[in-house]
Amino acid sequence: DAKTTQPPSMDCAEGRAANLPCNHSTISGNEYVYWYRQIHSQGPQYIIHGLKNNETNEMASLIITEDRKSSTLILPHATLRDTAVYYCIVRYDSNYQLIWGAGTKLIIKP
Amino acid sequence: GAGVSQTPSNKVTEKGKYVELRCDPISGHTALYWYRQSLGQGPEFLIYFQGTGAADDSGLPNDRFFAVRPEGSVSTLKIQRTERGDSAVYLCASSLMGQDTQYFGPGTRLTVL
Repeated sequence: DAKTTQPPSMDCAEGRAANLPCNHSTISGNEYVYWYRQIHSQGPQYIIHGLKNNETNEMASLIITEDRKSSTLILPHATLRDTAVYYCIVRYDSNYQLIWGAGTKLIIKP
Repeated sequence: GAGVSQTPSNKVTEKGKYVELRCDPISGHTALYWYRQSLGQGPEFLIYFQGTGAADDSGLPNDRFFAVRPEGSVSTLKIQRTERGDSAVYLCASSLMGQDTQYFGPGTRLTVL
């Protein structure tokens, strides 16, 4: 079973920051938080991952709480092309399996 | 560089037939994974290859499913005696090593009539 909990859906206005929450209250010290997204009829796309510290790349920022029990993916200036299902996944450091939940369907509105 | 590619993009077959789905991983990636995704759900792990060998095939649903990777690059997922319940999108991913970030292909949509 997935070790994360995400809201099933969210809306965000185009040009605004989209903040997608994820709860992972049972995360252990060696487990990373990964985010992928899946645009309709495409394969999942890697976005970002982190262990303890906040991370930022060209796509998004990942904010992990100090107790590591939750995190937020931030898309700073959402566009219509960011409409997708966003998956938050917890993965053990040396493990290869990704166990997926149902994700959050993010709809960007003009 | 080129990403993960999968062929065919769509496959329609009849119940009882045999199908093969192909995956070309990113060049240099030693790890390769197959997942299956049903409508409205997240991907479900099927099998993991490290090099030529299947390191973990615990996700294969039954013995009708088999996968190979003979030269440690291209992989083929084989399904015998297909059933309507096998209809899904079959996703392939690769990573540099087993614990690294996985990059996915576009998937093959299999429809069993």
